[in-house]
Order: sequence, then C-alpha cells, then structure tokens
Amino acid sequence: QVQLQESGPGLVKPSETLSLSCAVSGDSMTSYYWNWIRQSPGKPLEWVGHIHSSGRTKSTPSLRSRATLSIDTSKTHFSLSLMSVTAADTATYFCARGRDSNAALDYWGQGILVTVSS
Amino acid sequence: EIVLTQSPGTLPLSLGESATLSCRASQSVSVGYIAWYQQRSGQAPRLLIYGGSIRASGVPDRFRGSGSWTDFTLSITRVEPEDFAVYFCQYYGVSPYTFGQGTRLEIK
Repeated sequence: QVQLQESGPGLVKPSETLSLSCAVSGDSMTSYYWNWIRQSPGKPLEWVGHIHSSGRTKSTPSLRSRATLSIDTSKTHFSLSLMSVTAADTATYFCARGRDSNAALDYWGQGILVTVSS
Repeated sequence: EIVLTQSPGTLPLSLGESATLSCRASQSVSVGYIAWYQQRSGQAPRLLIYGGSIRASGVPDRFRGSGSWTDFTLSITRVEPEDFAVYFCQYYGVSPYTFGQGTRLEIK
C-alpha cells in the first residue's frame, strides 16, 4: 500500500521560507508525478505543483516565482519550498501521487497545517 | 484557468436517500479529465472517480460519475453513514489543475 507522509514546521514567520517534505513508502517513486496541493481555510483546494521522478517540474502560475519543488536522489521523498510567505500561505498542505502529468491523484498524505504568523 | 463551481454547497440527506452533486466548468472540457474526491472530516481527500466516470479501486458502485461539456455530476445512491463528507471535483486536463469549492453532504 502506497503511503505518503508530510513533515515540516507548523509555524513559519512572514517573509521566511516554508519548507515541507513528503516521504513516500510502499512503491517506487519512479515514473510517477508527485504533487503538492494546499487547502486554505474557507477556500477550495489549490494545486501548487508537481515534480516527475526525472526532476521535471510544473507549478501553478500564481506561485511559480516563489515555489521550488525537488526530489531526492534516492527517490524516497520530495519537497516543496515556498519563499517569502505571507498570511495568505497559511493552509493545510497535502502531497499526492499522480500516474501522469494529466492524471487524477490516487494517493494522498494526511496533510500538514502550516500557519504563517509572527 | 478552468473554474469549477459546485452546487449545492450543502446537501442534507437522510440515510438511504440518493444524492446528486453538480460541478460546472467555466468552459467546455473533456470529461476524460474530471475527477471526484471524498474528504471526510480531518482526513485526506480520497479519489472516487477519474476519467469522468471510472470508479477508483475499492469504490462502491453506488457512486457514479457522468457528464459532458461543462456539466458534470456525481450521483450517490442509497447514502450510507460513511458517505457524509465533503466532495470535490477536479479538472486535470490542462495546468493549473483546479478544484471546485466542494459540496458537503450532511445528515438531515
């Protein structure tokens, strides 16, 4: 059974960088697309971006200048860095797997709440 | 960017009743790129339907996806206790992949 688990700080100060990691177990990461999605209070789910096991990335235009996605060489986890955060970045962040660039997300992590506050 | 609008926002139902959840796209899209997810309170979303009408592994056949052009529907027949949750539609054909704001199924 594929499992994903997010980790990272629950509190980040404004203007700093939010850094999250997603550990993947139960299957190889090869050939899949690894996604980040966030859910701010009272707002719809927002797709942040994805990274292929090859390292190829795509992200939503509104976050592209601040978001960096990476995947580790041993291919057991992938990460999200979001620079210059504001209160608007407060959200529950989920990681999820897609079988293709244009594919539904078949496995999700439980999510991690990140609050941006001084 | 495709905007997805779901209705109703909340749907009160009694056990055993049937539910029809709507997802409307801001422009015509291929049904092959529509998914539906279920999110129970405090849990991660769970994939129910992909490709507009294909049930994901382990999803009961009381869940059915349909639709075309701009109007898509998730139907749930004979609602059971574990079905009370929030349901999201998603379009994943062209980036950025977008989600609807959700429909909450609640016990009447």
